[in-house]
Amino acid sequence: AQSVTQPDIHITVSEGASLELRCNYSYGATPYLFWYVQSPGQGLQLLLKYFSGDTLVQGIKGFEAEFKRSQSSFNLRKPSVHWSDAAEYFCAVGTNTNAGKSTFGDGTTLTVKP
Amino acid sequence: EAQVTQNPRYLITVTGKKLTVTCSQNMNHEYMSWYRQDPGLGLRQIYYSMNVEVTDKGDVPEGYKVSRKEKRNFPLILESPSPNQTSLYFCASSFLLSGGTYNEQFFGPGTRLTVL
Repeated sequence: AQSVTQPDIHITVSEGASLELRCNYSYGATPYLFWYVQSPGQGLQLLLKYFSGDTLVQGIKGFEAEFKRSQSSFNLRKPSVHWSDAAEYFCAVGTNTNAGKSTFGDGTTLTVKP
Repeated sequence: EAQVTQNPRYLITVTGKKLTVTCSQNMNHEYMSWYRQDPGLGLRQIYYSMNVEVTDKGDVPEGYKVSRKEKRNFPLILESPSPNQTSLYFCASSFLLSGGTYNEQFFGPGTRLTVL
């Protein structure tokens, strides 16, 4: 069965500092990987996705993520955090061998200090 | 505007009183899914549908029913709600890729359900 681990429940960074949110997945074949963001009281919005090809993917709002098969990771990064980035971030995995199943991590809450 | 809508947005009910949460999308997506979100547990998939009349269980299907009679609608039914079903529920939709799985999901605004 597929699984997703986000090791950091809560991260605090200063505005302007760099950010890295960790995501590890467990799945035997090539996964389809997603990062979503949830602002307070809102639904989820896609930041970026990885299906195949270039392992460094660019997303919206200046975010990027790197797929590392050897480490089973798909970490999210941003070089300079803005106060509006404060939100909850979810990593998710899908597959083509169990099409339809969708597994999310427990989420990482980002707080941005002024 | 492309969107997923859910109704109601907020619902307080009592144990055992049947309820339905509706979900509708206007993007002609084949794939639809229901999730519940609980603090510290992320989103857990309840049921999903790959197309009309095709539904399957997610990770936490107990106590829930779904149907997919039309492509745009995917209602979630709680026939006898219990307090442990108090949660925030999200509906999502996506189009299918050629390989058979789904692409990015578009989420509704959520339904906050309280079962007393």
